[in-house]
Amino acid sequence: AQSVTQPDIHITVSEGASLELRCNYSYGATPYLFWYVQSPGQGLQLLLKYFSGDTLVQGIKGFEAEFKRSQSSFNLRKPSVHWSDAAEYFCAVGARGSSASKIIFGSGTRLSIRP
Amino acid sequence: KAGVTQTPRYLIKTRGQQVTLSCSPISGHRSVSWYQQTPGQGLQFLFEYFSETQRNKGNFPGRFSGRQFSNSRSEMNVSTLELGDSALYLCASRGTGEIHEQYFGPGTRLTVT
Repeated sequence: AQSVTQPDIHITVSEGASLELRCNYSYGATPYLFWYVQSPGQGLQLLLKYFSGDTLVQGIKGFEAEFKRSQSSFNLRKPSVHWSDAAEYFCAVGARGSSASKIIFGSGTRLSIRP
Repeated sequence: KAGVTQTPRYLIKTRGQQVTLSCSPISGHRSVSWYQQTPGQGLQFLFEYFSETQRNKGNFPGRFSGRQFSNSRSEMNVSTLELGDSALYLCASRGTGEIHEQYFGPGTRLTVT
């Protein structure tokens, strides 16, 4: 069965510091992979996605993620965080084909920014 | 292009009542999915509708149901509400074709007392 693990529940980084949020997935084939961000009281915004091809994907707001098949990982990175990046981040995996909308989400990582 | 809209944004209901939530997808999107988000269970897939037919379903009891209209707008209904149904209900729409991401609405916050 598909599953997503985000091992870090809460991370605090200083403004201007680099960021890496971890994500490991379990899926029988090559999945679709996503990172979403959710600000308090808001819906989910897609940061980036991986479907195929180049394993390093660029997203919005300066985020990037690298798909590593051998490690079943899809970690999110940002070289320098801004106070506005404080939010909850969700890694997600989706199937291919007719079940593509049935996304499985990780439990989320809450990011706090230290001034 | 307007985004996904959900109404109402906030709702308070009493145990045993039923509730209907509405979702209008992005224009041209025919797939609408519903998710429940709670602090304890996180984000869980409820069901997906495509061209007025339920295409995928998550592991929720039959009290949770939905439908989709010919204009792709979707409604979700929860009957006999329980305290545990208090959650943020998110709707997402997706374009036609396999390689399309989902776009989420702001959600409906349901509180059951």
